[in-house]
Amino acid sequence: DGGITQSPKYLFRKEGQNVTLSCEQNLNHDAMYWYRQDPGQGLRLIYYSQIVNDFQKGDIAEGYSVSREKKESFPLTVTSAQKNPTAFYLCASMDWPQETQYFGPGTRLLVL
Amino acid sequence: AQSVAQPEDQVNVAEGNPLTVKCTYSVSGNPYLFWYVQYPNRGLQFLLKYITGDNLVKGSYGFEAEFNKSQTSFHLKKPSALVSDSALYFCAVNVGATNKLIFGTGTLLAVQP
Repeated sequence: DGGITQSPKYLFRKEGQNVTLSCEQNLNHDAMYWYRQDPGQGLRLIYYSQIVNDFQKGDIAEGYSVSREKKESFPLTVTSAQKNPTAFYLCASMDWPQETQYFGPGTRLLVL
Repeated sequence: AQSVAQPEDQVNVAEGNPLTVKCTYSVSGNPYLFWYVQYPNRGLQFLLKYITGDNLVKGSYGFEAEFNKSQTSFHLKKPSALVSDSALYFCAVNVGATNKLIFGTGTLLAVQP
């Protein structure tokens, strides 16, 4: 899992609540990514950021929001508009010369 | 549409035997191909990648993969499987300036002692 940390490891969301997942990296990588993993579906891209103060929607951005105010941090907010948030969320960062994404340990989000 | 296919949900192999986990892709342009491994409730660990050059790529933990452009495949291989290799394996492709990864659905490798 290298220099990428995600917290918390488990997160419980109540109906109508927004929750924020933390992702921090100390690898000095410019690009960061958020993926959602559901059983049997592989990983799907939610949002990505190639540079500070800029981010783009991925394939399943609806119901999610992000910010990128610092190079080291890329938090993901799961809003109440996301009707099926139960999943395993993975954050990744990438080094440009090697073009390889490295992943954090993940956060499992459950709905109460 | 760009896609990655892992045709086997599960691969079973006896310890000490060679293993192959299959991956095919459909992309425009020259693909950058990756293999990752995931242990239960953990993040993905990078195993190896093909960018250009030699079609046989060697990676971590004794794994290797062969890029075959004509068959659009990138199969993961290991000469002698270990019980500790049992995990979920993902193939992924990166095409384009945004460096987004497209993942296959994963293959569960089960190595029996």
